[in-house]
Amino acid sequence: ALLVQSGAEVKKPGESLKLSCKGSGYSFSDYWIAWVRQMPGKGLEWMGMVYPGDSDTRYSPSFQGQVTLSADMSITTAYLQLNSLKASDTAIYYCARKSGGLDSWGQGTLVTVSS
Amino acid sequence: DIVLTQTPLSLPVTPGEAASISCRSSQSLLDANDGYTYLDWYLQRPGQSPHLLIYTLSHRAPGVPDRFSGSGSRTNFTLKIRRVEAEDVGTYYCMQRLDFPSTFGPGTKVEIK
Repeated sequence: ALLVQSGAEVKKPGESLKLSCKGSGYSFSDYWIAWVRQMPGKGLEWMGMVYPGDSDTRYSPSFQGQVTLSADMSITTAYLQLNSLKASDTAIYYCARKSGGLDSWGQGTLVTVSS
Repeated sequence: DIVLTQTPLSLPVTPGEAASISCRSSQSLLDANDGYTYLDWYLQRPGQSPHLLIYTLSHRAPGVPDRFSGSGSRTNFTLKIRRVEAEDVGTYYCMQRLDFPSTFGPGTKVEIK
């Protein structure tokens, strides 16, 4: 299984952003895709997950309402949308396949929010 | 949310020696319905994405050397490295997925002495 994420982004406060995570090498529709945030120099935070087969989503309460997860099975791609960006959204965002544990990870997307 | 704590937070190690990391959970991670304990271990090498080492308490992920082992029960868990190698440097995280949302421990940074 391979997950390839979109490239680094620099945004201004208040802007929106949609990150992508393209899966290959496995049946994309059959596994949850989780999203994990890592703020600069900090640990891992589980944000939520999306099931591409039926677009079911589960959000951590800490991120509910702040992000939107989606997936397009036809192009084997999952998305993380971040709205009304703040400086505190500056982080690396990882997608990962959930197969029991998170057994395959993307390379991460660095998001920098700065005026 | 289930809270995971790890000790130590920093671990200097000598190559060839054994190392051990502890992870404690605020509640049992044993699923009474199926008997599995939903605790995983991840390694994040410097500048890299995390990768899975151990899943469901004690199962090594494919390709993980057998010097890594996971053990424990209910709320106390241990990751052991039988003989540390230079490539084992990085930050180790435990993660629970019994309860929603999944949560990670704060991480243990392993470095070579």
